[in-house]
Amino acid sequence: QVQLQESGPGQVQPSGTLSLTCGVSGGSLTSSNWWSWVRQPPGKGLEWIGEAYHRGNANYNPSLKSRVTISVDKSKNQFSLRLNSVTAADTAIYYCAKRGGGGWDQWGRGTLVTVSS
Amino acid sequence: EIVLTQSPATLSLSPGERVTLSCRASQSVSDNYLSWYQQKPGQAPRLLMSGASTRATGIPARFSGSGSGTDFTLAISSLQPEDFAVYYCQQNYNLPLTFGGGTKVEIK
Repeated sequence: QVQLQESGPGQVQPSGTLSLTCGVSGGSLTSSNWWSWVRQPPGKGLEWIGEAYHRGNANYNPSLKSRVTISVDKSKNQFSLRLNSVTAADTAIYYCAKRGGGGWDQWGRGTLVTVSS
Repeated sequence: EIVLTQSPATLSLSPGERVTLSCRASQSVSDNYLSWYQQKPGQAPRLLMSGASTRATGIPARFSGSGSGTDFTLAISSLQPEDFAVYYCQQNYNLPLTFGGGTKVEIK
């Protein structure tokens, strides 16, 4: 069974760049899945950020598209999120997740990222 | 963008009761692309249902999903203590992928 684990700084300065990595174990990034990022502001609902496929395709939420990049590193079996020009509104728990033919069937445990100086 | 509206926002129920959660889409969603998730405090969401009515691996039979077009339902036949949580519907039919606002099922 695939397991996912987020890693990265827990705090980012306003106007800085949020960078997170999701390590994938127990499976390959080259399988027929989309590798996704979803976030959840404290006490609020879920928001899809975007996703990438191992062949280089990516889809992004239009609300974030100008600031976000999701990439896949097959050699390290991990995928990454970069979100530029962050503000306090980007403070959230960030989850990485695997999406197959249906919904997201595997999730990381999530990592809280706080935007603050 | 497909907007998913879940109702009610909160349900207060007792163990053993039957519960029905509603998810309404702003435009038609193919029933192959509607999923339900359960989220407990401090945990990641867990996939319950995909394709509107197909239980994910390990999900008990007391959970069932139905619906098509713009109206979908998640039912729990007899609430167990571990079922008190927030439930989200989500569509994979159109980009951007979207979630409903969630329904919290709390203990009465």
